[in-house]
Amino acid sequence: AQSVTQLDSQVPVFEEAPVELRCNYSSSVSVYLFWYVQYPNQGLQLLLKYLSGSTLVKGINGFEAEFNKSQTSFHLRKPSVHISDTAEYFCAVSRTFQGAQKLVFGQGTRLTINP
Amino acid sequence: DAGVIQSPRHEVTEMGQEVTLRCKPISGHNSLFWYRQTMMRGLELLIYFNNNVPIDDSGMPEDRFSAKMPNASFSTLKIQPSEPRDSAVYFCASRQGLGGANVLTFGAGSRLTVL
Repeated sequence: AQSVTQLDSQVPVFEEAPVELRCNYSSSVSVYLFWYVQYPNQGLQLLLKYLSGSTLVKGINGFEAEFNKSQTSFHLRKPSVHISDTAEYFCAVSRTFQGAQKLVFGQGTRLTINP
Repeated sequence: DAGVIQSPRHEVTEMGQEVTLRCKPISGHNSLFWYRQTMMRGLELLIYFNNNVPIDDSGMPEDRFSAKMPNASFSTLKIQPSEPRDSAVYFCASRQGLGGANVLTFGAGSRLTVL
């Protein structure tokens, strides 16, 4: 079974500082991996996804993530954060059930940007 | 495209009352998902449909919860009778196709408070 672990429930950083949000997954087969962002009082939006190919994936708003198969990780990074990046970030993995694939989410990491 | 539309956005009700949440997926999307978000349990998949057929309802908490998708453009999630522990944000999401590489598009959510 595939599951997702986000190692930090909260990450506070200062504006313009770099940030890394950690995600590890468990799976014995090839996976599709995603990062979603949830701004306050909104639904989830896709940041980026890894399907295959290059292990470095670039997303919206300057975010990127690196797929590391040996470490089963898919950490999200941004070199310089802004106040507007304050949100909750969810890592997710596709899981197959009865021939269809559903998304399983991690517990989320709340990113707080301090001025 | 108006995206995934959920109603109501907010619902406050008393314990024992029936609650119906509604969802209109994106036109052309043939997979629909219902998620529940709470502080304690994070994002939980309740049920999902492919081509209007329920595929996996293993996440539905108990018999008080039911979901239907009578046609490709409408789904409901019903709770009867409601209990305070059902208080959460309920998200609907839709996707085109069965493949895990396809991205889920989320609605803005329905915030339910059961007193």
